[in-house]
Order: sequence, then C-alpha cells, then structure tokens
Amino acid sequence: QSVLTQSPSVSGAPGQRVTISCTGSSSNIGAGYDVHWYQKLPGTAPKLLIYTNTNRPSGVPDRFSGSRSGTSASLDITGLQAEDEADYYCQSYDGSLSGYVFGGGTKLAVL
Amino acid sequence: EVQLVESGGGLVQPGRPLRLSCAASGFTFGDHAMHWVRQAPGKGLEWVSGISWNSGSIVYADSVRGRFTISRDNAKNSLYLQINSLRAEDTALYYCIGSSSWFYFESWGQGTLVTVSS
Repeated sequence: QSVLTQSPSVSGAPGQRVTISCTGSSSNIGAGYDVHWYQKLPGTAPKLLIYTNTNRPSGVPDRFSGSRSGTSASLDITGLQAEDEADYYCQSYDGSLSGYVFGGGTKLAVL
Repeated sequence: EVQLVESGGGLVQPGRPLRLSCAASGFTFGDHAMHWVRQAPGKGLEWVSGISWNSGSIVYADSVRGRFTISRDNAKNSLYLQINSLRAEDTALYYCIGSSSWFYFESWGQGTLVTVSS
C-alpha cells in the first residue's frame, strides 16, 4: 500500500470536470511538504503535470490545476478530453521515511 | 531538447549484479539533481534513489538501501545505478529523471526494463 492514498479510478464525460484526490499524513503533506502531480499516458514515460502544489510547467494546459490543504491535495481537470485518459500520480516527500513517496495512482477514463 | 536515455537493463538471475546507465543531453547536467524511479509490472511508481548535482547528497528508498548505489559523472553527463543481489521484486521498468528541483521529477527518460528470473 502506498504512503499517499488515491482513488483507483475516476471517470467523466468529455467536457466535464473531474477531481483526483491525494491523501497523506502528518509526516508528508501535513508536515508542509509540497505535492506534485504526474500524468502517465499508456506506453509512455510519466510527465510532470503540476509542481509545488499549484504550478504548471510550460506546455501544460490550464485545464489542469492543483491545490493542497491540510493532509490532502487535489488535481482538477476541467473540459475533459479523450487524450486526458491516463494514470495520474501524486508525489511528495515524507520526513519520517526521509524519502520521496507516490500515491498509488488514479486511472482516469473519459467516457 | 532534454534527452535521458537509459541502458543496461535485461534478464538477470536472482543474486546477480547489474549496472544501469543514463546518458543525458539537452540541458546542463551538472546543475541538476538526478533520480531513479521504477515501476513494477502492473504497479504504481516507486522512487528508488536520488543524487544532488555535486553528489553531496545521496538518498535511497528503504526497500533498496544497502543493495543499490547511485552515482554520477558530470564530465560524461551520465547517471548510474549499481544494483547488487537482485531479487524478483526488483523486476521493473527503471526511469532516469533529471530535475532542477530536489523535490520533484521534471524530465523522464523512457526507461530500461530489468527482469529478475532464473
């Protein structure tokens, strides 16, 4: 089981909005460590989607946004498109483990 | 364009060693932190190890500490991962990552597959 908890799957119709949640604890997100998000399309390497809770790297559409509060973080995707179908992972740092931790991943299906 | 090309994976017997390499180009390698992240078949992402720009900070996941050794050669723009005493649970796609930040993973290679089996 992963240190950060994500729902295994989420789905939405094209054009809709979905939210992917990431729950941690007092040793990682709750300790103030930032959360980062990655998109993994089938058969490709993961791609940095959101860094430091809310920031988008160059080239990432503003349909993707992130937030962090307490021991949790969320990734919002608005205006769903077919090409958004992928696995999404949250990542942070854990002070108790002295290492980086990922969520188990959430598979997004665009219906 | 940032390019990270991993090599060295393959089919290896349990208990044997293996050395993974990552050739970097398209960015100032010596200014970047580097990491290895792996993904076992059908599983999620697992961070393995990280090394700072000057090798002054080196960190490992608990699951690999003592068996894995990360290193870099800034003159050769290369990152390495020495894996000793391979176990079946080390079977995974190993990704090389370069990042301007110590805390997140900016640029990923395509990965090299390590399969541990007799």
